[in-house]
Amino acid sequence: DVKVTQSSRYLVKRTGEKVFLECVQDMDHENMFWYRQDPGLGLRLIYFSYDVKMKEKGDIPEGYSVSREKKERFSLILESASTNQTSMYLCASGILYEQYFGPGTRLTVT
Amino acid sequence: SQKIEQNSEALNIQEGKTATLTCNYTNYSPAYLQWYRQDPGRGPVFLLLIRENEKEKRKERLKVTFDTTLKQSLFHITASQPADSATYLCALETNNAGNMLTFGGGTRLMVKP
Repeated sequence: DVKVTQSSRYLVKRTGEKVFLECVQDMDHENMFWYRQDPGLGLRLIYFSYDVKMKEKGDIPEGYSVSREKKERFSLILESASTNQTSMYLCASGILYEQYFGPGTRLTVT
Repeated sequence: SQKIEQNSEALNIQEGKTATLTCNYTNYSPAYLQWYRQDPGRGPVFLLLIRENEKEKRKERLKVTFDTTLKQSLFHITASQPADSATYLCALETNNAGNMLTFGGGTRLMVKP
């Protein structure tokens, strides 16, 4: 079974803090993705990566950056957290068409 | 602009009946469409993929249709069970490499015993 793990299920941070969300997959997938999910807005793609050190902006990259130094690990960075970044963050990995999601990190910025 | 629409209102049905969920899209020409299931507090789980040249796909009690003329997909669960209660998301491939998806907002299905 594909396993995608995220470093935290719940996280509370203060405005202005730098936040790291980590995602690890164990299936040697080339593609990895970061989404955020908000009520009424659905799943929105922040960034994705199709190879080590490669990244592409999704629909809402502003305020975020990513890092992929190893194939199995994809990190999402909030340089200076703001309250409008309070959300559920979901990581996914995939090969070709299917995506496999982690359990999500519920981030609250106060 | 590109849009994917799923009925945002919950669908309530009786156990044993067939549930039918709709996904409509505009301004896309996807090579394939996918359906995912999401339970509260968890990430989505892949269910089915249907390609643009396929009219219908089945997997156990699930059936998906894809009408590229109407720009619509229908997702059916036959003989529904309370365990089928969840939110169902449709997703369209939105880049030429085929590895990027755009998701609809999802429809919550409640199956009552």
